[in-house]
Amino acid sequence: AQTVTQSQPEMSVQEAETVTLSCTYDTSESDYYLFWYKQPPSRQMILVIRQEAYKQQNATENRFSVNFQKAAKSFSLKISDSQLGDAAMYFCAYIRVDSNYQLIWGAGTKLIIKP
Amino acid sequence: DVKVTQSSRYLVKRTGEKVFLECVQDMDHENMFWYRQDPGLGLRLIYFSYDVKMKEKGDIPEGYSVSREKKERFSLILESASTNQTSMYLCASSLQGGGLNTQYFGPGTRLTVL
Repeated sequence: AQTVTQSQPEMSVQEAETVTLSCTYDTSESDYYLFWYKQPPSRQMILVIRQEAYKQQNATENRFSVNFQKAAKSFSLKISDSQLGDAAMYFCAYIRVDSNYQLIWGAGTKLIIKP
Repeated sequence: DVKVTQSSRYLVKRTGEKVFLECVQDMDHENMFWYRQDPGLGLRLIYFSYDVKMKEKGDIPEGYSVSREKKERFSLILESASTNQTSMYLCASSLQGGGLNTQYFGPGTRLTVL
């Protein structure tokens, strides 16, 4: 069975600095998608970034980028120039290409931004 | 923008009560989901619906049922609420067609069962 592990329950970073959140996953599939979702204190979960496993190039979205290491089954999220609005729970998630719905979620990492 | 709304932000119910949580999306999405979120456990799928009147069990369906009579509305029902169902409940929707489609979430309902 597929699993997603976020080993850091909580991380903190100084405003304007860079922070990396870790995520590892376990699967026997070769084609899948990976996601990072953000849940701010107001609780509306939103998509931050996604990666298709067949793409070697790491996805980027403005200050957010991933380091996707397929062989190591690692999918970390880097946030550059951290801002107070980045404070949130961050969840890593995995889904098989042929699945319509079965996202597998990590336990989440709480990110604290220090002013 | 996709909007997913949930009927209540906070709800307090007594053990044994029947509880209805409602979710409405305005983007004509085929898929709708109910998750339960507990600290340290991430999100766990309770039920999924891919069309009106169609549903599939997720990872933790016991003690829950769902109803989807209209495409835009997906209800979660706790037939007889128990204290171990105290949790945050999140609704989501997405287009059909494979795993790449983004799931859009509602703000959540914090349910407390006394």
